[in-house]
Amino acid sequence: AQKITQTQPGMFVQEKEAVTLDCTYDTSDPSYGLFWYKQPSSGEMIFLIYQGSYDQQNATEGRYSLNFQKARKSANLVISASQLGDSAMYFCAMSSTNTNAGKSTFGDGTTLTVKP
Amino acid sequence: DTAVSQTPKYLVTQMGNDKSIKCEQNLGHDTMYWYKQDSKKFLKIMFSYNNKELIINETVPNRFSPKSPDKAHLNLHINSLELGDSAVYFCASSLWAGGADTGELFFGEGSRLTVL
Repeated sequence: AQKITQTQPGMFVQEKEAVTLDCTYDTSDPSYGLFWYKQPSSGEMIFLIYQGSYDQQNATEGRYSLNFQKARKSANLVISASQLGDSAMYFCAMSSTNTNAGKSTFGDGTTLTVKP
Repeated sequence: DTAVSQTPKYLVTQMGNDKSIKCEQNLGHDTMYWYKQDSKKFLKIMFSYNNKELIINETVPNRFSPKSPDKAHLNLHINSLELGDSAVYFCASSLWAGGADTGELFFGEGSRLTVL
């Protein structure tokens, strides 16, 4: 069974500073994908970044980077140069590339508030 | 052009009624899902279809019945609605690549169901 743990229910960051949102995972599958999604107050779910379990390098997408530490089973999201529009709920998720592919398991989310 | 669209966006109904939510994707994806987000923002998968075939059916009451007439459409019918069914229901799709799902989910805007 897959499990995602996000230990920070809420985080605050000053505008223009960097922030790290924590995510740890547990799985027995040898091959899997890790994702981060953003949910603003308007409610839509927006894909941010993906990391494959066999990827050697950490994923980056603009101001988002994923700090992947496989041995520690962590996949933290780093947002650099925070903007007011980054205030939202952030979900870490994983999916397995085995026969039960297609099932993404989500963490409970972290609410990020960016202060001006 | 909305990639994943679901209707209606808002649904208010009485206990005991039957309601449906429709979802369509124009991304050419093979896999579609229904996720439920409760009042605490927890996201849980309900169903997944790959090319019209049911591949994931989590422990969901059988009052919930998904239907996929073709791979671009996945509808959700709910019978005998209960107060606890109040939630936001998200439709999503992803690309199925050679037996392994790439995992990235494209979400619809969500359908907020309120049962009175």
